[in-house]
Order: sequence, then C-alpha cells, then structure tokens
Amino acid sequence: GAVVSQHPSWVICKSGTSVKIECRSLDFQATTMFWYRQFPKQSLMLMATSNEGSKATYEQGVEKDKFLINHASLTLSTLTVTSAHPEDSSFYICSARGGRGPYEQYFGPGTRLTVT
Amino acid sequence: AQKVTQAQTEISVVEKEDVTLDCVYETRDTTYYLFWYKQPPSGELVFLIRRNSFDEQNEISGRYSWNFQKSTSSFNFTITASQVVDSAVYFCALAEGLAGSNYKLTFGKGTLLTVNP
Repeated sequence: GAVVSQHPSWVICKSGTSVKIECRSLDFQATTMFWYRQFPKQSLMLMATSNEGSKATYEQGVEKDKFLINHASLTLSTLTVTSAHPEDSSFYICSARGGRGPYEQYFGPGTRLTVT
Repeated sequence: AQKVTQAQTEISVVEKEDVTLDCVYETRDTTYYLFWYKQPPSGELVFLIRRNSFDEQNEISGRYSWNFQKSTSSFNFTITASQVVDSAVYFCALAEGLAGSNYKLTFGKGTLLTVNP
C-alpha cells in the first residue's frame, strides 16, 4: 500500500516551454501533497505544500508564478514549470500524506527535468 | 526554526561491517517527529522509520536499529552486517508537531553510504 506515482519519469524540453508533472496517490487519499526539488548530490528542498481544494503554500524564494501547483482531487496534484529555463533542470519529487496526523509522507519516484 | 544535521557526508564500509549514521536535530517544539528515508540510486525515497518525540524507545527491524536520545537531540541509525544493497543516500528528517504546520519535513543533507563487496 501507500504508492505514489509520478508522470513523466523524465522529460526534456526546450527553453521557454512549459512542462506539467503529475503526482498521483494510487491507493490512498492524499489530504496533503508536497513538491520538492533536488539538485545532484544535494538534499531535498521543499517547494510547496498543497491541500486538496486549496491554493498551494509556497516556501520562501519559490516563484509561485513559475511553479504552478494544482491539487484538484484527493489523488492528484500537478506541478507546471512555466517558461522553463536551463536552471530549472532538476529532479522533482512529490510526496503525499493521508490523514491529519504526522503520518509518513510517501514519495513518488521523481521526475528528471532537463531544459535545453 | 528547526534544523537537521547529518555531519557524515560520505561513509564507505566493507560488506558485513556495522555502520552508524548520525543525525542531530534542533527544534523548539515539544512535540515533533523524526524520520529516516533511504534514497537508492534509482532516486525514489523509501520510508524506513518514524519516531515520535514522546517515545524514546529504541527500535530494531532486522539489520536496522535506531537510537533516539532526546538528551542529546540525536536519532542515530545503525545497519548491522551491512550489505551491498544498503548502498544509498540516507536522509534524516524532522517534522514539527504544530497544528496547521502540515507536518512539513526538514531534511538533513544526507549521508552517502557505500558498501563495498
């Protein structure tokens, strides 16, 4: 149980285009979803937190107009990188948590984004 | 603000050796939660354990064991008789227990463990 999927697993796009990444909880309802980015050999940096039906809460320094997050249902959240630039190239990871307590966050397999 | 420190950036051991990964945390909350995650080369984080601040019992799961000591703000992870498959980056993380915090995780920088045959 507690499986989170991400799609696509990797994507290459041209500078200036937009890319959408999907995060789905497959066997549980995710009241909260989180989006992280991870640079090579570095830790995970939280970008934003989204609760179903609410606007996402972005961490300081994360451009909300560039990284659009939508949590449309209890099983789906999307991250859209708008007008992507090479510096947006990174490993993007989502996680999902069910319930109201500090239950484990279950992580997706990640999406490798390369902007050329 | 909360903080997680994993002082060991990289550790290299030979198979069957025991290895301990250190984790020291800082928080002002009296209720908090500590986690360990494993990130193998494939990239997907694997949940290993969660510990509540009010439960200082140590835990053992097969070759894995965890030592939680509030007095030293540490939550160390020991792998006994390490195996090549244990090679991965291990992250320690902390979630504050405040209502409305969404229990966001603060990650340490991770420790790269390499187990050589």
